[in-house]
Amino acid sequence: EPEVTQTPSHQVTQMGQEVILRCVPISNHLYFYWYRQILGQKVEFLVSFYNNEISEKSEIFDDQFSVERPDGSNFTLKIRSTKLEDSAMYFCASRDRSTAREAFFGQGTRLTVV
Amino acid sequence: LAKTTQPISMDSYEGQEVNITCSHNNIATNDYITWYQQFPSQGPRFIIQGYKTKVTNEVASLFIPADRKSSTLSLPRVSLSDTAVYYCLVGPPTGANNLFFGTGTRLTVIP
Repeated sequence: EPEVTQTPSHQVTQMGQEVILRCVPISNHLYFYWYRQILGQKVEFLVSFYNNEISEKSEIFDDQFSVERPDGSNFTLKIRSTKLEDSAMYFCASRDRSTAREAFFGQGTRLTVV
Repeated sequence: LAKTTQPISMDSYEGQEVNITCSHNNIATNDYITWYQQFPSQGPRFIIQGYKTKVTNEVASLFIPADRKSSTLSLPRVSLSDTAVYYCLVGPPTGANNLFFGTGTRLTVIP
């Protein structure tokens, strides 16, 4: 079964450093998403991406965040200058046009900012 | 976006049927109801989706009354491995289709 893969599974970074979280969505999918989940809290929408541009972003997705689809397969989330409160699980998801609201999520990257 | 309300937590014994109800009083005409499951330290996983009446798949059933202001996810004969958080989401089927998760229902299955 096709799946969304995320790397790394766990990343520890110093406050103020830049991090790039990587995702390989399912190959024929058209819509891509990033979510985050702070430990013990709900899954929060960050951004959606379609047709090589951002479709929608949340208030959390400020100027520190950016997304890119540099080639035909990868979808990345960059955090320019990490803060302690960026520590969370980050999930990538993808969906194709025909599956309405069924999105496929990756296993996540646990980001720890120290 | 339609707001959803679910119980924060539920406990059930193994082998029982579990019904989790979600309220969505301001659901729009073209909104679908979707349920996701999340195990600890994993991404959410799609379970089932419906628009009206009843939908059944190999995992669960979804019951939606005629007014569509609520829906009930039914898990038959739960096992310990069904312990997870279950999220009810409501929204349109087209477009970027952003999924907005609420707090969900934490189901604990007891031996």
